[in-house]
Amino acid sequence: DIRMTQSPSSLSASVGDRVTITCRASQTFGNFLNWYQQKPGNAPNLLVYAASTLQSGVPSRFSGSGSGTNFTLTISCLQPEDFATYYCQQSSNIPFTFGPGTKID
Amino acid sequence: EVQLVESGGGLVQPGGSLRLSCAASGFNFSDYWMHWVRQPPGKGLMWVSRIDVNGTSSVYADSLKGRFAISRDNTNNTLYLQMSNLRADDTAVYYCARDVREVGATDYWGQGTVVTVSS
Repeated sequence: DIRMTQSPSSLSASVGDRVTITCRASQTFGNFLNWYQQKPGNAPNLLVYAASTLQSGVPSRFSGSGSGTNFTLTISCLQPEDFATYYCQQSSNIPFTFGPGTKID
Repeated sequence: EVQLVESGGGLVQPGGSLRLSCAASGFNFSDYWMHWVRQPPGKGLMWVSRIDVNGTSSVYADSLKGRFAISRDNTNNTLYLQMSNLRADDTAVYYCARDVREVGATDYWGQGTVVTVSS
């Protein structure tokens, strides 16, 4: 199985900050790397898929990049509604696997 | 509007069985692969299973093979997850989700149904 790690596990940020979350995989795979946002009590929300494709309706302050085993999610200007937990997921190899999450507070 | 509504969760004893359902509407259900994902209380997300558009191909998380079975009814736009020999560590919110055109990402999720395995 491909093991996904994220750093940091949590971060404190302020409105207007530029935030970067890193996701690393235990082995190389195709760029089937996805990012989700989850707020307490809600289902996850897809932000980015295939490493860098912004999901329809997601604000342009979110962006994804990377390849191989290293991927990043960047929020260019943090907004109040962005305080949440973020998960990466690889969907290249079965079983699909999620990272442990990064909480922004 | 795309909607996914899970049902069938509840309290079950260890070793018991449960079948979850996910009613889909607002899109052509038979055109999309579908997934189940679960989240234990206070923990992260775990992918459970995926099924293809016809229901002829399904894959699972390694630890769930043999105990969980995914299926679908394209006539009634419903996804299922049959769970057997349940254990305490199967306690979680179970979400159904729609695949983004076979990319493996999931763009629409239900609200989740809670499964509690306890004596």
